Amino acid sequence: NAGVTQTPKFQVLKTGQSMTLQCAQDMNHEYMSWYRQDPGMGLRLIHYSVGAGITDQGEVPNGYNVSRSTTEDFPLRLLSAAPSQTSVYFCASRRTSGLGTDTQYFGPGTRLTVL
Amino acid sequence: EDKVVQSPLSLVVHEGDTVTLNCSYEVTNFRSLLWYKQEKKAPTFLFMLTSSGIEKKSGRLSSILDKKELFSILNITATQTGDSAIYLCAVRDMEYGNKLVFGAGTILRVKS
Repeated sequence: NAGVTQTPKFQVLKTGQSMTLQCAQDMNHEYMSWYRQDPGMGLRLIHYSVGAGITDQGEVPNGYNVSRSTTEDFPLRLLSAAPSQTSVYFCASRRTSGLGTDTQYFGPGTRLTVL
Repeated sequence: EDKVVQSPLSLVVHEGDTVTLNCSYEVTNFRSLLWYKQEKKAPTFLFMLTSSGIEKKSGRLSSILDKKELFSILNITATQTGDSAIYLCAVRDMEYGNKLVFGAGTILRVKS
């Protein structure tokens, strides 16, 4: 198993540009989520999904869109990048039934800088 | 509003010292509390706690939960330089899709 993979690892954008951060998992997890991590603020939930076709907003959803067309993939789209979106982004997944539902697996992260 | 507060925010100790990291929380509908260790990249899972008073141990690390007083502690004994990391506490709230609410983390630096 590759676990949770994210691409790219690093990205620099100019204000106003759009881009998609990719996330994939091969563990057949129903629940996937996106976090951003900023100094002194810990991890904050952006969007999450409890299964293919179902997404919902987290604590800081503004400026981001998600979709979940398959169980494996959960891309995060930045519609019009702003310097306030400079952060490290983590994708995570977990099961929602059976054993191990509380253990969340994280991807390696994407470091995004918006100039 | 859900809240997870960790203390101290940062800590510098010498190898061999014992440290205690604190996590207090307020969530709507508590399900579990998790501790993670984060070095250079993604957080790695340490413990999950659901019941009060039952200590979880893994080597030199241990953790316990107090659901009455709404806090947890993470103990690290005989610290080593490899324990230097950010330690994150997170609480799972059964409301709102079982979301995980993270604290800001404690930055631990162990000096040799």
